[in-house]
Amino acid sequence: AQSVTQLDSQVPVFEEAPVELRCNYSSSVSVYLFWYVQYPNQGLQLLLKYLSGSTLVKGINGFEAEFNKSQTSFHLRKPSVHISDTAEYFCAVSGVLGKLTFGQGTILTVHP
Amino acid sequence: EAGVAQSPRYKIIEKRQSVAFWCNPISGHATLYWYQQILGQGPKLLIQFQNNGVVDDSQLPKDRFSAERLKGVDSTLKIQPAKLEDSAVYLCASSSIRIHEQYFGPGTRLTVT
Repeated sequence: AQSVTQLDSQVPVFEEAPVELRCNYSSSVSVYLFWYVQYPNQGLQLLLKYLSGSTLVKGINGFEAEFNKSQTSFHLRKPSVHISDTAEYFCAVSGVLGKLTFGQGTILTVHP
Repeated sequence: EAGVAQSPRYKIIEKRQSVAFWCNPISGHATLYWYQQILGQGPKLLIQFQNNGVVDDSQLPKDRFSAERLKGVDSTLKIQPAKLEDSAVYLCASSSIRIHEQYFGPGTRLTVT
């Protein structure tokens, strides 16, 4: 079975500050890892994904994440956030059939 | 290209009533997913279709939930009868042969009173 734990339910930051959203996963088989963003009253949008290869993955809107197999982590980072990054972020894991297992979500609030 | 379409966007019903949601995936996408997102939680997969066949429905409460994907395109998710705990956003997603790129619709917010 697969599971995902997002270690922070809410993260407040000031504009232009760096941010890290933490994600740990559990799986008995090889995994594929994802970060999605959800703006209010909208569906989920894929930020980035790790399928194989380089452990540092770059996504849209200046976000990046690093896959750490020994620590079973996939933390999301951005060096300088904007007001428009305020949203809920979900970490997810999937297996070969594509079914996504999501974490509980982290609400990122960027203050001016 | 057009995204995943869902309707209605909002629905309010009383408990024990029935309700149906519709999803039109991105053209050409063979795989379709229905997720349930309860407030404050991450989405949970209810059912996954590959064309018009079911791949995974292990978390679908089959005593009250049903889903179909006739002709391998549109899909309908039904709840009958609804319970208070079914209040949630129901998200539809689709993917092509690149199954690790799922595209989500805007969702249907269901409130059961």
